[in-house]
Amino acid sequence: DQQVKQNSPSLSVQEGRISILNCDYTNSMFDYFLWYKKYPAEGPTFLISISSIKDKNEDGRFTVFLNKSAKHLSLHIVPSQPGDSAVYFCAVRGNFNKFYFGSGTKLNVKP
Amino acid sequence: NAGVMQNPRHLVRRRGQEARLRCSPMKGHSHVYWYRQLPEEGLKFMVYLQKENIIDESGMPKERFSAEFPKEGPSILRIQQVVRGDSAAYFCASSQSGTGDSYGYTFGSGTRLTVV
Repeated sequence: DQQVKQNSPSLSVQEGRISILNCDYTNSMFDYFLWYKKYPAEGPTFLISISSIKDKNEDGRFTVFLNKSAKHLSLHIVPSQPGDSAVYFCAVRGNFNKFYFGSGTKLNVKP
Repeated sequence: NAGVMQNPRHLVRRRGQEARLRCSPMKGHSHVYWYRQLPEEGLKFMVYLQKENIIDESGMPKERFSAEFPKEGPSILRIQQVVRGDSAAYFCASSQSGTGDSYGYTFGSGTRLTVV
């Protein structure tokens, strides 16, 4: 059973433009949402988070939006830079403090 | 301040052998989690441990897989009689609290297991 879905396995964006990565989840009881970034041969690293009491959290070029009614999470990166090229995982915190991860979206930012 | 340390980084085993993956959590972290990433897939939860206790092993295959986090030393994920389907990247993560910290978990760099 997939608690978290990232339906776009890859995304290609021109440098300087906006990257929008999407994530859908199934359970309205999830209370905490995160985005991780992963480079090849490395572990995922935390990028940005949002709790269910908010609908937006911004950190520099990165903004996470939460639409609870649609059970949808998105990450906006603007402006996109070549160094942002990586795999992005969304994660949600569920029962017993377990984190569920999506399958990832590979972002390629072209110079 | 070392992060989560996993070793080995790469492990090659023949079918039927045992694989032992080690994880030392961040200093001050007492909660350890193991995740597996199969090729072209996301991270799948396997097991959550605290010192000397398995808290949640709902993601562990019923046979051949076991995990421990002893009072002293690293957490160990053991896979007995490996098969080709066990080939994957295994990530260990740690957190200070059982709810995950505000940034979730801190992940190690992973162990890439290849079964030949």
